[in-house]
Amino acid sequence: SAVISQKPSRDICQRGTSLTIQCQVDSQVTMMFWYRQQPGQSLTLIATANQGSEATYESGFVIDKFPISRPNLTFSTLTVSNMSPEDSSIYLCSVEGVGVRLEGVPDTQYFGPGTRLTVL
Amino acid sequence: EDQVTQSPEALRLQEGESSSLNCSYTVSGLRGLFWYRQDPGKGPEFLFTLYSAGEEKEKERLKATLTKKESFLHITAPKPEDSATYLCAVLPKGGATNKLIFGTGTLLAVQP
Repeated sequence: SAVISQKPSRDICQRGTSLTIQCQVDSQVTMMFWYRQQPGQSLTLIATANQGSEATYESGFVIDKFPISRPNLTFSTLTVSNMSPEDSSIYLCSVEGVGVRLEGVPDTQYFGPGTRLTVL
Repeated sequence: EDQVTQSPEALRLQEGESSSLNCSYTVSGLRGLFWYRQDPGKGPEFLFTLYSAGEEKEKERLKATLTKKESFLHITAPKPEDSATYLCAVLPKGGATNKLIFGTGTLLAVQP
């Protein structure tokens, strides 16, 4: 299984500022995923980050608000820009398991511990 | 639209009282269904992956089953340490990436 760490684990930020969240994996992975988990809601995919290419954003999420970097195969960052209280959430990064079945279906996705963000 | 619904939203059991959690899904085609456990303040912890109807997997007191429309997570003789939120996610066919679609989870509380 992959071991994923995130920094910071939590933060309290002021409206209008930006926060960069780091995700480090203990092995090289092709794709990394960034999710948001708002209070009482399910996990929602923000974007998929491949090393060496632009991140792919899901509907409702834009690069100007959530810029992502993927400088190598073990590291990624997600920035939450110009924050508002609606951005208060848990942000999680994840990677696919190394075991892959037929048709490219991963055996799982592993998640980091999350970053709990509160915007005042 | 692909959708995942989990029930009940919350479940309270006495220690040793077996029960089941439900995950119903509507997808154009299913590539995989995943169960996770999430403790407060932590990221989801992987439990099982199921790929096709009729498949079953077990781990300690947990057993996951899959049909064409739903999955069940059976908890046999639960202990207080099984208390957590259990999340179900599906990986639908189509799409450029392996995007998981999550349900909102079932909050399980097991009382001693």
